[in-house]
Amino acid sequence: AQSVAQPEDQVNVAEGNPLTVKCTYSVSGNPYLFWYVQYPNRGLQFLLKYITGDNLVKGSYGFEAEFNKSQTSFHLKKPSALVSDSALYFCAVRDGTGYQKVTFGTGTKLQVIP
Amino acid sequence: DAGVIQSPRHEVTEMGQEVTLRCKPISGHNSLFWYRQTMMRGLELLIYFNNNVPIDDSGMPEDRFSAKMPNASFSTLKIQPSEPRDSAVYFCASSPSGSVHEQYFGPGTRLTVT
Repeated sequence: AQSVAQPEDQVNVAEGNPLTVKCTYSVSGNPYLFWYVQYPNRGLQFLLKYITGDNLVKGSYGFEAEFNKSQTSFHLKKPSALVSDSALYFCAVRDGTGYQKVTFGTGTKLQVIP
Repeated sequence: DAGVIQSPRHEVTEMGQEVTLRCKPISGHNSLFWYRQTMMRGLELLIYFNNNVPIDDSGMPEDRFSAKMPNASFSTLKIQPSEPRDSAVYFCASSPSGSVHEQYFGPGTRLTVT
């Protein structure tokens, strides 16, 4: 069975500071990893994904994530946080077998303080 | 493309009534997913379809819930009879077939059962 853990319910960061939202995963095969963002009263929006290749993945709005196979982690990062980045962030995983089901984490609320 | 379209955006109904939620996926996407989001349980996958065929309905909470996809451009999620504990935001998402693809979420239907 595949699973995702987002250990922090909420992350607070000052505007302009770097931010990190943590994610660890468990999957039987090769992992396909995703980050999504949800703004209030909206559906989830895709930010970035890791399928294969470079461990550092760049995505929308200046976000990036680093795949670490040995630590089974896929942390989301941004060098300089904006107030507009405040939202709910979800990590998701599926294995590479072709089975379509994706497992989402419980979400981390990011609060960027002006 | 207009993205994933869901209707209605808001639904308020009384316990015992039938509720039908509708979804139009992005044209060309072969996979369709129904999710439910609540504060208590987070984001739950209810069912997903591939090429209009239900592949995994293990997340459907009970027999009161049913989903159909009569063609590639339309899906419904029905709750009959509805109960107050069904109150949640229901999301539809679509994606091309294949594990490497991200999902595109609709705006959601906020269901309130009184």
